[in-house]
Amino acid sequence: GENVEQHPSTLSVQEGDSAVIKCTYSDSASNYFPWYKQELGKRPQLIIDIRSNVGEKKDQRIAVTLNKTAKHFSLHITETQPEDSAVYFCAASRRTDKLIFGTGTRLQVFP
Amino acid sequence: GAVVSQHPSWVICKSGTSVKIECRSLDFQATTMFWYRQFPKQSLMLMATSNEGSKATYEQGVEKDKFLINHASLTLSTLTVTSAHPEDSSFYICSARGYLQETQYFGPGTRLLVL
Repeated sequence: GENVEQHPSTLSVQEGDSAVIKCTYSDSASNYFPWYKQELGKRPQLIIDIRSNVGEKKDQRIAVTLNKTAKHFSLHITETQPEDSAVYFCAASRRTDKLIFGTGTRLQVFP
Repeated sequence: GAVVSQHPSWVICKSGTSVKIECRSLDFQATTMFWYRQFPKQSLMLMATSNEGSKATYEQGVEKDKFLINHASLTLSTLTVTSAHPEDSSFYICSARGYLQETQYFGPGTRLLVL
């Protein structure tokens, strides 16, 4: 079945550094790729998403890139801050189908 | 906009009892709602997808008689865990999506503890 692999599982960075999380999807028909941030005990919150007709999207310190040929997409966080510490999940779907989630990346930003 | 609420936020019950969890979309019409289960330090596991007015579609391995889902209106879906057992203890999260929309908005989750 469809699968989304996510790496790394944990990531520790110094405040101000950049963080990159990578995902690979198996279903070549996937065309919607959201990223969610989940703080401990709270709901996942959408932070950015990208559709397959776009290669890159940016929102302030957050950017997502998509390589359809390689079936890769990545989340880039620049100038990290302690409040960026959380678990980040990537996901993929075919438009309005169900989301297939990655296994999550625990990001820790040290002051 | 796109606010989803869930009630209760936490519940403790005795083994053998049934528990109902409500998921509401507060400011949009949710034609589709999803129910997930999340174990500590793990990803979201989709249990079922429900479309307003029709029967839910369950993922493989999820017992539909154990986890009853009702999506009777465009703003409310319920998940009933029947005859709950300790192994049903988990964090249950719903999400909602509007008509022909891709983005899912999540509820705050319900922490269930079965004693």
